[in-house]
Amino acid sequence: DTEVTQTPKHLVMGMTNKKSLKCEQHMGHRAMYWYKQKAKKPPELMFVYSYEKLSINESVPSRFSPECPNSSLLNLHLHALQPEDSALYLCASSQESSLVGLATGELFFGEGSRLTVL
Amino acid sequence: AQSVAQPEDQVNVAEGNPLTVKCTYSVSGNPYLFWYVQYPNRGLQFLLKYITGDNLVKGSYGFEAEFNKSQTSFHLKKPSALVSDSALYFCAVRDNNNDMRFGAGTRLTVKP
Repeated sequence: DTEVTQTPKHLVMGMTNKKSLKCEQHMGHRAMYWYKQKAKKPPELMFVYSYEKLSINESVPSRFSPECPNSSLLNLHLHALQPEDSALYLCASSQESSLVGLATGELFFGEGSRLTVL
Repeated sequence: AQSVAQPEDQVNVAEGNPLTVKCTYSVSGNPYLFWYVQYPNRGLQFLLKYITGDNLVKGSYGFEAEFNKSQTSFHLKKPSALVSDSALYFCAVRDNNNDMRFGAGTRLTVKP
């Protein structure tokens, strides 16, 4: 199994809603990532988890709350979002974690969750 | 900090012709460089990477990339382009802090 699975594929929410994006991988990878991608732009790093601990938070607003319940799952909890938060949210995983050495491997990406905030 | 730059927003080639998508890098230490492709409304697919060793790296779907240390470049190439190669291509660099940074992207259009 070499897949990263993201659900839901599409999400429409109001600014007062609370929702969650989910990501799952069964490759035994120890690092997992959330990226945000606006149309025709490169992915922008949001969070990195290494061995289920948050290792990077790229100054993301607190209305985005990541969670890593176990080594296979990564969630992104959404609350009080703004219309400008509408984007494609990509989850990725990689085998290595810099916590145990230099990470040089590729990231495996899911298909993304397209979020629209009304 | 590590970074990559893609100087071309758009590259157009005719089907059957060779294609090149350019990428230059700026890193401290050894560069760990990657190419990804993205089709509309899809995630990113890994094409190839350079970590060490041979400067010419072969990857998926007939793509290859040449690492040039003196020119700090890592250009993506394919000898004969297909219409189905039309997509958005990202060059990326792996950081020592366990993240991956992407270039701005180059839209490749292959015309029949």
